[in-house]
Amino acid sequence: IAGITQAPTSQILAAGRRMTLRCTQDMRHNAMYWYRQDLGLGLRLIHYSNTAGTTGKGEVPDGYSVSRANTDDFPLTLASAVPSQTSVYFCASSVRTRGISGANVLTFGAGSRLTVL
Amino acid sequence: GIQVEQSPPDLILQEGANSTLRCNFSDSVNNLQWFHQNPWGQLINLFYIPSGTKQNGRLSATTVATERYSLLYISSSQTTDSGVYFCAVTPFTGGGNKLTFGTGTQLKVEL
Repeated sequence: IAGITQAPTSQILAAGRRMTLRCTQDMRHNAMYWYRQDLGLGLRLIHYSNTAGTTGKGEVPDGYSVSRANTDDFPLTLASAVPSQTSVYFCASSVRTRGISGANVLTFGAGSRLTVL
Repeated sequence: GIQVEQSPPDLILQEGANSTLRCNFSDSVNNLQWFHQNPWGQLINLFYIPSGTKQNGRLSATTVATERYSLLYISSSQTTDSGVYFCAVTPFTGGGNKLTFGTGTQLKVEL
């Protein structure tokens, strides 16, 4: 089934540990995104990638890094986790092809729930 | 950055009732999407609607871009409509392809 796969589904992590959230899509979408969702704050963009080999900062990038070595994978790394990074993390993708209506329609993964103690 | 305000924040309906959810945004946009997050957390795109009106079954949406708002209509609501509805936009200027989300409308449909 085409879509986005996120792993792990849920993780409890000690503060100070390094953690990588994995995201893989099989739709050959150009653009990929990482959002975090916190109660009362909606979804906030952490980092994005418009195409393989490029990345950019979103609204809340501090404490996170990403890479985009190929079209399908877009991992999110927390180098040294802190309790304020406790959240639900969503990976998303979009076609992002110029001139195509609706090319930026987002498809979301199922989310990764991260708890930092 | 662009501000996105959704109203009401919470809504409780009896099954079969109709409702209107509103999304106001503070700047001109070239991308507006509505999403439904079900009680299990899955986010599904409902509409891509930077302007005009679209309908999909019991759901329809209208965006009046010149007045900077969008409406999501739910008719004959069902318990499966419960969840959170998000509006997300990209401003014309400086937005690239990045969506900014509102804080959502929490909908509960009761029998």
